[in-house]
Amino acid sequence: ETGVTQTPRHLVMGMTNKKSLKCEQHLGHNAMYWYKQSAKKPLELMFVYSLEERVENNSVPSRFSPECPNSSHLFLHLHTLQPEDSALYLCASSLEGGPHTDTQYFGPGTRLTVL
Amino acid sequence: DAKTTQPTSMDCAEGRAANLPCNHSTISGNEYVYWYRQIHSQGPQYIIHGLKNNETNEMASLIITEDRKSSTLILPHATLRDTAVYYCIVRVGGDYKLSFGAGTTVTVRA
Repeated sequence: ETGVTQTPRHLVMGMTNKKSLKCEQHLGHNAMYWYKQSAKKPLELMFVYSLEERVENNSVPSRFSPECPNSSHLFLHLHTLQPEDSALYLCASSLEGGPHTDTQYFGPGTRLTVL
Repeated sequence: DAKTTQPTSMDCAEGRAANLPCNHSTISGNEYVYWYRQIHSQGPQYIIHGLKNNETNEMASLIITEDRKSSTLILPHATLRDTAVYYCIVRVGGDYKLSFGAGTTVTVRA
Protein backbone atom coordinates (compact mmCIF):
# COMPACT_ATOMS: atom_id res chain seq x y z
CA GLU A 1 0.00 0.00 0.00
CA THR A 2 1.69 3.17 -1.20
CA GLY A 3 -0.84 5.74 -0.02
CA VAL A 4 -2.07 6.35 -3.56
CA THR A 5 -5.41 4.81 -4.47
CA GLN A 6 -7.08 4.56 -7.85
CA THR A 7 -10.65 3.73 -8.80
CA PRO A 8 -11.93 1.84 -10.59
CA ARG A 9 -9.27 -0.85 -10.87
CA HIS A 10 -10.80 -2.18 -14.08
CA LEU A 11 -12.96 -0.39 -16.63
CA VAL A 12 -14.49 -1.51 -19.90
CA MET A 13 -16.08 1.17 -22.04
CA GLY A 14 -17.39 1.67 -25.52
CA MET A 15 -16.02 4.29 -27.85
CA THR A 16 -19.03 6.57 -27.31
CA ASN A 17 -19.01 6.41 -23.52
CA LYS A 18 -17.82 9.03 -21.07
CA LYS A 19 -16.07 7.84 -17.95
CA SER A 20 -13.70 9.18 -15.32
CA LEU A 21 -10.73 7.71 -13.52
CA LYS A 22 -10.09 8.84 -9.96
CA CYS A 23 -6.86 9.05 -8.00
CA GLU A 24 -6.46 10.00 -4.36
CA GLN A 25 -3.25 10.36 -2.39
CA HIS A 26 -2.98 10.24 1.39
CA LEU A 27 0.68 11.26 1.63
CA GLY A 28 0.43 15.03 1.95
CA HIS A 29 2.01 15.47 -1.48
CA ASN A 30 1.57 18.52 -3.68
CA ALA A 31 2.24 17.14 -7.17
CA MET A 32 0.25 14.50 -9.04
CA TYR A 33 0.80 12.71 -12.33
CA TRP A 34 -1.01 10.61 -14.90
CA TYR A 35 0.95 7.96 -16.82
CA LYS A 36 -0.15 5.56 -19.53
CA GLN A 37 1.34 2.09 -19.96
CA SER A 38 0.38 0.27 -23.13
CA ALA A 39 1.20 -3.37 -23.66
CA LYS A 40 4.92 -3.97 -24.25
CA LYS A 41 5.69 -0.24 -24.04
CA PRO A 42 7.39 1.90 -21.40
CA LEU A 43 5.39 4.21 -19.20
CA GLU A 44 4.45 7.49 -20.88
CA LEU A 45 3.96 10.63 -18.84
CA MET A 46 0.65 12.27 -19.76
CA PHE A 47 -0.02 15.12 -17.33
CA VAL A 48 1.57 16.75 -14.31
CA TYR A 49 -0.12 18.93 -11.73
CA SER A 50 1.87 20.91 -9.22
CA LEU A 51 0.02 22.79 -6.50
CA GLU A 52 -3.18 22.10 -8.44
CA GLU A 53 -1.88 23.82 -11.58
CA ARG A 54 -1.20 21.81 -14.73
CA VAL A 55 2.50 22.14 -15.49
CA GLU A 56 2.96 19.53 -18.17
CA ASN A 57 0.82 18.13 -20.95
CA ASN A 58 2.76 15.76 -23.17
CA SER A 59 0.84 16.10 -26.45
CA VAL A 60 -2.04 14.06 -25.14
CA PRO A 61 -5.19 13.95 -27.33
CA SER A 62 -8.08 16.10 -26.16
CA ARG A 63 -10.24 13.03 -25.56
CA PHE A 64 -8.27 12.78 -22.29
CA SER A 65 -9.09 15.64 -19.93
CA PRO A 66 -7.42 15.88 -16.50
CA GLU A 67 -8.80 17.68 -13.47
CA CYS A 68 -7.11 18.40 -10.16
CA PRO A 69 -9.63 19.97 -7.74
CA ASN A 70 -7.22 19.87 -4.79
CA SER A 71 -3.80 18.51 -3.92
CA SER A 72 -5.19 15.14 -2.84
CA HIS A 73 -7.39 14.30 -5.81
CA LEU A 74 -6.78 13.86 -9.50
CA PHE A 75 -9.23 12.81 -12.19
CA LEU A 76 -8.86 11.76 -15.79
CA HIS A 77 -12.03 12.30 -17.79
CA LEU A 78 -12.39 10.08 -20.84
CA HIS A 79 -14.65 10.57 -23.86
CA THR A 80 -14.87 9.10 -27.36
CA LEU A 81 -11.85 6.91 -26.80
CA GLN A 82 -10.35 4.58 -29.38
CA PRO A 83 -9.44 0.90 -28.96
CA GLU A 84 -5.75 1.86 -29.03
CA ASP A 85 -6.32 3.81 -25.81
CA SER A 86 -6.70 0.51 -23.98
CA ALA A 87 -3.90 0.47 -21.42
CA LEU A 88 -2.97 0.61 -17.75
CA TYR A 89 -3.43 4.17 -16.47
CA LEU A 90 -1.26 5.00 -13.51
CA CYS A 91 -1.45 7.85 -11.07
CA ALA A 92 1.52 9.01 -9.03
CA SER A 93 2.22 11.71 -6.49
CA SER A 94 5.27 13.41 -5.02
CA LEU A 95 6.24 16.18 -2.63
CA GLU A 96 8.01 19.02 -4.38
CA GLY A 97 10.82 20.70 -2.55
CA GLY A 98 14.01 18.83 -3.22
CA PRO A 99 15.63 15.75 -4.67
CA HIS A 100 15.19 13.77 -1.51
CA THR A 101 11.50 14.50 -1.19
CA ASP A 102 10.24 14.42 -4.75
CA THR A 103 10.20 10.68 -5.22
CA GLN A 104 7.10 9.63 -7.13
CA TYR A 105 4.84 7.04 -5.55
CA PHE A 106 2.44 5.18 -7.80
CA GLY A 107 -1.05 3.85 -7.36
CA PRO A 108 -2.11 0.36 -8.47
CA GLY A 109 -3.47 1.57 -11.79
CA THR A 110 -6.74 1.32 -13.70
CA ARG A 111 -6.83 -1.30 -16.44
CA LEU A 112 -8.89 0.30 -19.23
CA THR A 113 -10.34 -1.63 -22.14
CA VAL A 114 -12.02 0.28 -24.97
CA LEU A 115 -14.31 -1.80 -27.15
CA ASP B 1 18.04 12.44 -18.72
CA ALA B 2 20.94 10.05 -19.14
CA LYS B 3 20.22 6.74 -20.82
CA THR B 4 20.55 3.57 -18.79
CA THR B 5 21.44 0.06 -19.91
CA GLN B 6 20.23 -2.99 -18.04
CA PRO B 7 20.29 -6.70 -18.83
CA THR B 8 17.03 -7.89 -20.33
CA SER B 9 16.51 -10.65 -17.82
CA MET B 10 18.09 -12.56 -14.97
CA ASP B 11 17.24 -15.45 -12.72
CA CYS B 12 18.13 -15.82 -9.09
CA ALA B 13 17.58 -18.41 -6.41
CA GLU B 14 15.22 -17.83 -3.52
CA GLY B 15 17.07 -16.86 -0.37
CA ARG B 16 20.16 -15.70 -2.22
CA ALA B 17 21.23 -12.14 -2.90
CA ALA B 18 20.19 -10.70 -6.25
CA ASN B 19 22.60 -8.20 -7.82
CA LEU B 20 21.07 -6.09 -10.58
CA PRO B 21 23.52 -4.03 -12.65
CA CYS B 22 22.84 -0.76 -14.44
CA ASN B 23 25.11 1.28 -16.68
CA HIS B 24 24.62 5.03 -16.95
CA SER B 25 27.89 6.20 -18.45
CA THR B 26 26.55 9.62 -19.54
CA ILE B 27 25.11 10.57 -16.16
CA SER B 28 25.46 14.22 -15.18
CA GLY B 29 26.64 15.50 -11.84
CA ASN B 30 23.15 16.56 -10.77
CA GLU B 31 21.37 13.37 -11.80
CA TYR B 32 20.21 10.85 -9.25
CA VAL B 33 19.97 7.09 -9.76
CA TYR B 34 16.51 5.71 -8.97
CA TRP B 35 15.28 2.14 -8.85
CA TYR B 36 11.67 1.08 -9.21
CA ARG B 37 10.12 -2.30 -9.76
CA GLN B 38 6.83 -3.36 -11.29
CA ILE B 39 5.14 -6.60 -10.44
CA HIS B 40 2.92 -7.82 -13.23
CA SER B 41 0.03 -5.42 -13.98
CA GLN B 42 0.60 -3.37 -10.83
CA GLY B 43 1.88 0.16 -10.39
CA PRO B 44 5.64 0.72 -10.17
CA GLN B 45 7.02 0.53 -6.65
CA TYR B 46 9.79 2.84 -5.52
CA ILE B 47 12.78 0.97 -4.11
CA ILE B 48 15.69 3.31 -3.49
CA HIS B 49 17.67 6.21 -4.92
CA GLY B 50 21.06 7.83 -4.51
CA LEU B 51 23.43 10.46 -5.84
CA LYS B 52 26.99 9.50 -4.96
CA ASN B 53 27.02 7.50 -1.77
CA ASN B 54 25.85 3.97 -1.30
CA GLU B 55 22.37 3.75 0.17
CA THR B 56 20.50 1.09 2.10
CA ASN B 57 16.90 0.81 3.21
CA GLU B 58 14.59 -1.97 4.32
CA MET B 59 14.13 -3.22 0.76
CA ALA B 60 17.55 -3.05 -0.85
CA SER B 61 21.02 -1.58 -1.10
CA LEU B 62 22.29 0.66 -3.87
CA ILE B 63 25.97 0.62 -4.74
CA ILE B 64 27.16 3.46 -7.01
CA THR B 65 30.65 3.34 -8.47
CA GLU B 66 33.02 6.17 -7.68
CA ASP B 67 32.84 7.53 -11.24
CA ARG B 68 29.01 7.19 -11.07
CA LYS B 69 28.91 5.50 -14.45
CA SER B 70 27.27 2.36 -13.13
CA SER B 71 25.36 1.07 -10.14
CA THR B 72 24.11 -2.17 -8.64
CA LEU B 73 20.88 -2.81 -6.84
CA ILE B 74 21.18 -5.57 -4.26
CA LEU B 75 18.21 -7.47 -2.92
CA PRO B 76 19.82 -9.20 0.05
CA HIS B 77 17.55 -12.24 0.35
CA ALA B 78 15.40 -12.68 -2.73
CA THR B 79 11.92 -14.16 -2.29
CA LEU B 80 9.41 -15.33 -4.85
CA ARG B 81 7.53 -12.06 -4.33
CA ASP B 82 10.55 -10.18 -5.67
CA THR B 83 9.84 -11.50 -9.16
CA ALA B 84 9.22 -8.30 -11.16
CA VAL B 85 10.60 -5.94 -13.78
CA TYR B 86 13.25 -3.69 -12.23
CA TYR B 87 13.87 -0.26 -13.68
CA CYS B 88 17.03 1.81 -13.25
CA ILE B 89 16.33 5.48 -13.96
CA VAL B 90 18.50 8.57 -13.81
CA ARG B 91 16.89 11.95 -13.39
CA VAL B 92 17.68 15.44 -12.25
CA GLY B 93 16.28 16.17 -8.83
CA GLY B 94 13.07 18.13 -9.23
CA ASP B 95 12.49 17.01 -12.82
CA TYR B 96 8.96 15.72 -13.27
CA LYS B 97 9.79 13.13 -15.84
CA LEU B 98 10.70 9.55 -14.97
CA SER B 99 11.96 7.79 -18.11
CA PHE B 100 11.17 4.12 -17.74
CA GLY B 101 13.08 1.94 -20.19
CA ALA B 102 12.63 -1.77 -20.73
CA GLY B 103 14.12 -2.73 -17.36
CA THR B 104 15.38 -6.12 -16.19
CA THR B 105 12.91 -8.95 -15.77
CA VAL B 106 13.98 -10.74 -12.60
CA THR B 107 12.63 -14.20 -11.91
CA VAL B 108 13.23 -15.65 -8.48
CA ARG B 109 13.12 -19.45 -8.49
CA ALA B 110 12.49 -21.74 -5.56
